[in-house]
Amino acid sequence: DAGITQSPRYKITETGRQVTLMCHQTWSHSYMFWYRQDLGHGLRLIYYSAAADITDKGEVPDGYVVSRSKTENFPLTLESATRSQTSVYFCASSIGRQLRSTDTQYFGPGTRLTVL
Amino acid sequence: AQSVTQLDSHVSVSEGTPVLLRCNYSSSYSPSLFWYVQHPNKGLQLLLKYTSAATLVKGINGFEAEFKKSETSFHLTKPSAHMSDAAEYFCVVTLDSNYQLIWGAGTKLIIKP
Repeated sequence: DAGITQSPRYKITETGRQVTLMCHQTWSHSYMFWYRQDLGHGLRLIYYSAAADITDKGEVPDGYVVSRSKTENFPLTLESATRSQTSVYFCASSIGRQLRSTDTQYFGPGTRLTVL
Repeated sequence: AQSVTQLDSHVSVSEGTPVLLRCNYSSSYSPSLFWYVQHPNKGLQLLLKYTSAATLVKGINGFEAEFKKSETSFHLTKPSAHMSDAAEYFCVVTLDSNYQLIWGAGTKLIIKP
């Protein structure tokens, strides 16, 4: 049972470059999420998706693009990376067909991204 | 506005002694509350959650938390710390009317031999 995986686990890039972070889940969960985690802060939601071809903005969406052509994949793209996007990125999924406050989210191992 | 405050950025205890990680929340609605743990270079794992059933919630690895509405608290405890408990712990709240997770800043638990 692979669960939820992210790739790459570590990435170093330069300012202005495009970067795509991959997220794949094997549970067929409806909802998927992207968060960033910065030192001294909790996680902040970037984007989420209710199903294939349905995405919506979270708390900090600027500078990011997502797509979800298949239920199991939810890539996050930084179109033109900036130093402020240096962070650890977590993907998560949730089983419910409707988002409820009681639903558990299951997290991937994270991608550590450094923008030079 | 809803928020979560973890009162200690670091907690250090000796192996075999009790653990207390403190969390206070503010919410205008009936909250759901979670504790997640993050081991070094690992993903986030759910420890336990409160969803308006029993106020004392038992989780994995011997952890438990008590929801106290009058104190707006959801402190995490464990009777006896183990070296493997060394990790960062996050308190999270969601709103009854919303899905969005509101995260505390985290508490790093250090276990001394």
